[in-house]
Amino acid sequence: AQTVTQSQPEMSVQEAETVTLSCTYDTSESDYYLFWYKQPPSRQMILVIRQEAYKQQNATENRFSVNFQKAAKSFSLKISDSQLGDAAMYFCAYRSALGSNYQLIWGAGTKLIIKP
Amino acid sequence: NAGVTQTPKFRVLKTGQSMTLLCAQDMNHEYMYWYRQDPGMGLRLIHYSVGEGTTAKGEVPDGYNVSRLKKQNFLLGLESAAPSQTSVYFCASSHEFTEAFFGQGTRLTVV
Repeated sequence: AQTVTQSQPEMSVQEAETVTLSCTYDTSESDYYLFWYKQPPSRQMILVIRQEAYKQQNATENRFSVNFQKAAKSFSLKISDSQLGDAAMYFCAYRSALGSNYQLIWGAGTKLIIKP
Repeated sequence: NAGVTQTPKFRVLKTGQSMTLLCAQDMNHEYMYWYRQDPGMGLRLIHYSVGEGTTAKGEVPDGYNVSRLKKQNFLLGLESAAPSQTSVYFCASSHEFTEAFFGQGTRLTVV
């Protein structure tokens, strides 16, 4: 069974600086999808970024980028120029590309604190 | 742009009472999910559906039932609420192999 591990329960960063959130996963599959979701205090789950395992190029969305290391099964999220609005819980998630498996497997989350 | 809508947003139940949470999506997604989120934990899948008229058990299905009579709606029922079911419940939907889109969540307290 697949697992997702976020080893940092909490991280803090000074506003305007860069922070990296870690995520590792375990799978025997070769084709899958990885996601980072943000959950601010409003509780809404918001997709931050998505990575397809077959793509070697790391995904980027404005100030958010990932470092996808398939062999190491690592999928870290880098937030550049941190803003107060980035404060939230961040969840890493895995989804199989097999047609029979529809579940998202979630990490426990990392709480990101932005210091003004 | 409604996306995924959950009702109600908050609810307090007494032990043994029943209730139904409603999830509606307007994106024509095939797949729908119900999760619960407890403090310090990630999301845990309760039940899911891969199409109208179909449902399946997830990781923590005990004490819950679901129905998907229409493609756009996915109902989560608690037949006899217990304090252990105090949680935040999320509904989500997706196409095959795409990211999931989430509702705003329902905070349920069972006293």
